[in-house]
Amino acid sequence: AQSVTQPDIHITVSEGASLELRCNYSYGATPYLFWYVQSPGQGLQLLLKYFSGDTLVQGIKGFEAEFKRSQSSFNLRKPSVHWSDAAEYFCAVANFNKFYFGSGTKLNVKP
Amino acid sequence: DAGVIQSPRHEVTEMGQEVTLRCKPISGHNSLFWYRQTMMRGLELLIYFNNNVPIDDSGMPEDRFSAKMPNASFSTLKIQPSEPRDSAVYFCASSHDRGPFSGNTIYFGEGSWLTVV
Repeated sequence: AQSVTQPDIHITVSEGASLELRCNYSYGATPYLFWYVQSPGQGLQLLLKYFSGDTLVQGIKGFEAEFKRSQSSFNLRKPSVHWSDAAEYFCAVANFNKFYFGSGTKLNVKP
Repeated sequence: DAGVIQSPRHEVTEMGQEVTLRCKPISGHNSLFWYRQTMMRGLELLIYFNNNVPIDDSGMPEDRFSAKMPNASFSTLKIQPSEPRDSAVYFCASSHDRGPFSGNTIYFGEGSWLTVV
């Protein structure tokens, strides 16, 4: 079955600490991969996406993600978290006729 | 540039009433999506239009739900009659080409927060 897994429902990090949010997918071929962020009361906003080329992708707000085919993963990283990064983060996976969002990871940032 | 515009932002209605949610996609986008978000079920794709034609409505929960896209700049999602279990945030989103199916970004509106009492 095709699916997207975000194994961490909640994560708390201290401001200034590094962050890694996990995303694993199950697809037959290399899909299109996305990370979106949702602030409270808002819609989803694209952070970054990957569909070919360099497996390390840079996004907005200082985020990056690395596609690892061998691990079927597309983890999101940020070297130093800011309080404004507190939000919910969604990994999404697509191919030519399917598009799935993960269940999301809520990030809490401690002062 | 204006993003995806949804109205109303908030609606509280009584069970049995008709609810109509409206969406104006980003100009030039030819794919439009309606999503529902709840704590229990997360983000669910309800229906996807491409060039104003419904392509996939398999996510529409039941006959009480209907969606239309009469032209490239307007879409509606209607619930009739509404039930308390329909309470959720409903997002409209738009994209170029075939959206994520062709690797394109989906742009979301700010959502319509529906409460059915």
